[in-house]
Amino acid sequence: GENVEQHPSTLSVQEGDSAVIKCTYSDSASNYFPWYKQELGKGPQLIIDIRSNVGEKKDQRIAVTLNKTAKHFSLHITETQPEDSAVYFCAAHLPLRDYKLSFGAGTTVTVRA
Amino acid sequence: SQTIHQWPATLVQPVGSPLSLECTVEGTSNPNLYWYRQAAGRGLQLLFYSVGIGQISSEVPQNLSASRPQDRQFILSSKKLLLSDSGFYLCAWSQINEKLFFGSGTQLSVL
Repeated sequence: GENVEQHPSTLSVQEGDSAVIKCTYSDSASNYFPWYKQELGKGPQLIIDIRSNVGEKKDQRIAVTLNKTAKHFSLHITETQPEDSAVYFCAAHLPLRDYKLSFGAGTTVTVRA
Repeated sequence: SQTIHQWPATLVQPVGSPLSLECTVEGTSNPNLYWYRQAAGRGLQLLFYSVGIGQISSEVPQNLSASRPQDRQFILSSKKLLLSDSGFYLCAWSQINEKLFFGSGTQLSVL
């Protein structure tokens, strides 16, 4: 299968708290997992990605973890700020389908000031 | 550096009218090109992708078509728009097995 499941669909956090979004995938051949942030009326922007030979990757306040055995990966945002409010999408590569990406349904994150 | 241009940003069209959305990529050669659609508050649906000039693959049956007349140009078209064609259309590019980059999108309203 090619499905990517993403949870939760909405997430409200207090400014300064952490936010965690989780995704699972079904294609065991997937080896590349990007995360996108989409602000209202704009195209999704790649914010971080991870490949299957790495378990964790950090970039300032965001981090992604990958558990290939369990086929799940997560996005962690620490010290959230109002500008982190957006829709976040996870995705997984499909090597057997021309390396197209299968996207999760998205998580709407709201950071309360 | 690579850039992707997509226009127009917004478009209001009557039912039954034609459509042409254009996307161009600069700073790379032989990219994979994609058209996605996003209904309001929904996820990303892949409509078409292309691995080379004149090579178009359709992901879902629909009222739209795509063409790639030049290496870095991707066009989304319709002969007669339907109400259900309304949505946010996104062009994207990548190199094979590499990062995917999106354009700024076109908000299409069919009335």
